[in-house]
Amino acid sequence: DSGVTQTPKHLITATGQRVTLRCSPRSGDLSVYWYQQSLDQGLQFLIQYYNGEERAKGNILERFSAQQFPDLHSELNLSSLELGDSALYFCASSPQGGNTGELFFGEGSRLTVL
Amino acid sequence: QQQVKQSPQSLIVQKGGISIINCAYENTAFDYFPWYQQFPGKGPALLIAIRPDVSEKKEGRFTISFNKSAKQFSLHIMDSQPGDSATYFCAASTFTGGGNKLTFGTGTQLKVEL
Repeated sequence: DSGVTQTPKHLITATGQRVTLRCSPRSGDLSVYWYQQSLDQGLQFLIQYYNGEERAKGNILERFSAQQFPDLHSELNLSSLELGDSALYFCASSPQGGNTGELFFGEGSRLTVL
Repeated sequence: QQQVKQSPQSLIVQKGGISIINCAYENTAFDYFPWYQQFPGKGPALLIAIRPDVSEKKEGRFTISFNKSAKQFSLHIMDSQPGDSATYFCAASTFTGGGNKLTFGTGTQLKVEL
C-alpha cells in the first residue's frame, strides 16, 4: 500500500459527460501528480501540483483540469468526454517538491467512456 | 514525442535466469533515472533509481547500469523469480522551475517461467 488513495476505482460514463477523480496523497506529501495510462500512449504525465500551486504541465488536454485543495487532496476534472479518454488515471505524490523521480502511485481510477 | 525508448516490449525468462531491459534517452537535461514495477491492477511502484554521475547501482537482485555518454541505461534482474513477473517501466526525470516531470518508457512485460 503506497498510502495514496484514489476514488472511484472504476467509473463508466457516456461521451460528452463530465467526471471528477479524487486523490488523497500520502500523509505529509505536498506534491500531487496526475498520469494517464492507456494501451497506445503508455504512462503520460498530465500535471503536477505542489502545495496548491500548479508546478508542471504535461500532455493535459484543455478539456481536463485539476486542482489541489488546502488539505492537499487533488481532483482531476475531465469534461466533454470522448471514447479516447478511456484509460487508467493515476495519482502520485511525493515529499516536498519531489526533485527526484520517487513518486508514490495510487491504484488508479479506471475510466470507461461508452 | 517519445523521449525515453524502452526495449524489449515483452520478455520471457526462465526461473533463475537474468532479465535485461534496456532504455535510451535523448534529453540531456534528465537528471534522475528510476525504474518502476507494476503488477496488474496496481499502480507503478519505485523499484530502484540512479543518478547520471553513477555508472551502476545494485539493490539485492536488481542492478541498474548507466552509460551517460551513450545516453543508455538498463535494468538487470538476477536470479529471476516467478514473483518478478510484472511490467517494468524505465523513466527519466527533470526538475525545472520547481516542477518535476517524469517521462516513462513504454514498458516491458516480463514473464518468469518455472
